[in-house]
Amino acid sequence: NAGVTQTPKFRVLKTGQSMTLLCAQDMNHEYMYWYRQDPGMGLRLIHYSVGEGTTAKGEVPDGYNVSRLKKQNFLLGLESAAPSQTSVYFCASSSPLSGAYNEQFFGPGTRLTVL
Amino acid sequence: SQKIEQNSEALNIQEGKTATLTCNYTNYSPAYLQWYRQDPGRGPVFLLLIRENEKEKRKERLKVTFDTTLKQSLFHITASQPADSATYLCALLIYNQGGKLIFGQGTELSVKP
Repeated sequence: NAGVTQTPKFRVLKTGQSMTLLCAQDMNHEYMYWYRQDPGMGLRLIHYSVGEGTTAKGEVPDGYNVSRLKKQNFLLGLESAAPSQTSVYFCASSSPLSGAYNEQFFGPGTRLTVL
Repeated sequence: SQKIEQNSEALNIQEGKTATLTCNYTNYSPAYLQWYRQDPGRGPVFLLLIRENEKEKRKERLKVTFDTTLKQSLFHITASQPADSATYLCALLIYNQGGKLIFGQGTELSVKP
């Protein structure tokens, strides 16, 4: 049982390049989330999904797109990377059936640098 | 919009003492606050949840209290150990919105032997 996994762990991009971050969970969770974490800012929600084929915007969605084609996967895309998107990205998943009211399980993070 | 604030200053305490961390939130109901621990280079890990109708919750050496009048939750670690050193995050659950959480910026705790 791997929990939540993220690919890649590290990436360096040049301004204007595109990339996709992959998140996978094996807990059969309905909900999945993408956050970014910057020093002194805490975790900020980018996009989230309440089920396969559905996505919604979070606090800071600009410059990112997401897709949830399969229940276990949630992809985060950067179409044209900017230095302001340098950050650590975390994926998480949860279930509304959780006794802890949507306790979220986090992946190990992806450290992205945009030059 | 909802806001969560934690004391951004790092907290340094001696081993064996009780650490107390503060989390304040703007007016929101029903309020469910979650507490997470985050170690350097890793994702957060869930610790405890407290609901607005609960005054206190305990788990081993951890205790969380909730004061809805002050809009504040306190997180206590009793008999602290160096292994408790980490960043602690509180988060407000936004009800009926897909389990959305609004996180505070976290408080870094350092327990010295």
